[in-house]
Parts: sequence; C-alpha cells; structure tokens
Amino acid sequence: RKEVEQDPGPFNVPEGATVAFNCTYSNSASQSFFWYRQDCRKEPKLLMSVYSSGNEDGRFTAQLNRASQYISLLIRDSKLSDSATYLCVVNTPQAGTALIFGKGTTLSVSS
Amino acid sequence: GAGVSQTPSNKVTEKGKYVELRCDPISGHTALYWYRQSLGQGPEFLIYFQGTGAADDSGLPNDRFFAVRPEGSVSTLKIQRTERGDSAVYLCASSARLAGPTDTQYFGPGTRLTVL
Repeated sequence: RKEVEQDPGPFNVPEGATVAFNCTYSNSASQSFFWYRQDCRKEPKLLMSVYSSGNEDGRFTAQLNRASQYISLLIRDSKLSDSATYLCVVNTPQAGTALIFGKGTTLSVSS
Repeated sequence: GAGVSQTPSNKVTEKGKYVELRCDPISGHTALYWYRQSLGQGPEFLIYFQGTGAADDSGLPNDRFFAVRPEGSVSTLKIQRTERGDSAVYLCASSARLAGPTDTQYFGPGTRLTVL
C-alpha cells in the first residue's frame, strides 16, 4: 500500500463549481500535512498546510482527520486558473524532513 | 528574490553515460533536497543535505546515484551508467531552517532527464 493515496482524476468541472479532493495516508505517525499545486511541466508549489482544526485560505479549505488518516481539499467557486494537479503531501518522523507525495489529482476547470 | 535554480533544464543522454545535474538553492537556505518525479507520479525523495553533509540519503535508488554539496550551497546530483529507467524530472528544493518538517520547501523548475 502506498504511503499517500489520492484519486488521480481527472476532475472536469465548470467554472464556479465546488470540487473536493480526498487523500489517505498509511502512517499513523505522520505529523505534517500539506497540499501542493503543480501546473503542467512546472515545479510543485505549496498551496497550504493542513491543520487538525481545519484551515481556510480564500476559496480553499483543507481538513485533516487523524483518526481516519484522511485529508481533504475543497475548492469553492472554481476558476479556470485552478486547473492544475493537486498533490497531497505528508511528513513522517521516519522520513526525517523529507516530504512524501501522493500521485496527485488533476483538475480541469472549463468555461 | 531569486528562487531555486537548476541546470540544465533538459538533458538528453545515452544509456551508459554519466550525467551531472546542478541545483542552486535560495541564498541562505541550509536545507537542500533532491526529488525525482516520473511521469504520472508525485515527486519521490532522493537525498537531503543539511549544510555540507548528507543528512539522509535513504531515497537514492542504488549506488549509481550520488550527490554532493561541498560548500553548503550549490549541490550536484551525479548519475553514473545511466539507464532508461532513470528518465524523469529531477527536482531540487531548499528550505530555510534546521531540520524543520513544517518548513516550506521551495522547489526549482527541475531538470528533465531523458536517457535514450
């Protein structure tokens, strides 16, 4: 079983839609959680960290459920510019400071 | 300010050749990471430097892969006797603080390696 699993999609949604991405992680000792965004043929960029209490940044909301080892990302009012691959990322003590990435979920927003 | 830079942006080589990939981290960042991203996959950790020393090289796939950071800034990833399976995008990242898993890692644009 992979350490971080995501539905690869693609998710094809119209502008203005709300879309949710899910991610599960296998190591219960995981300590830090992130969502990264990666545009086609570009480097990953941090979108937001994910905290147990949940956190929101504009149209983006991230949730963490430690008991279920589940992370989610909700995007409201999708924009064309949100089209990208969203990578679920965790850090575990065993990995030191290295990040463990999921395969990514591809989002395509159309007009 | 300048971000992480990597050279070359693209490298095409033949099976069996030796290649070097260079990473210039953000100035002042002490931590430097190499990752490898194959098509359709997320990045996979290769090696982590804290200063000049390799603090964790557990992700290097075999002894054909080696990396150095002699002065604690620029790093070079070296691949000997390249194989077609080494074809991937090699990403470098740096972060500011010492051994902080929550520190933001800033990625460079990557080097796309193609082994023919």
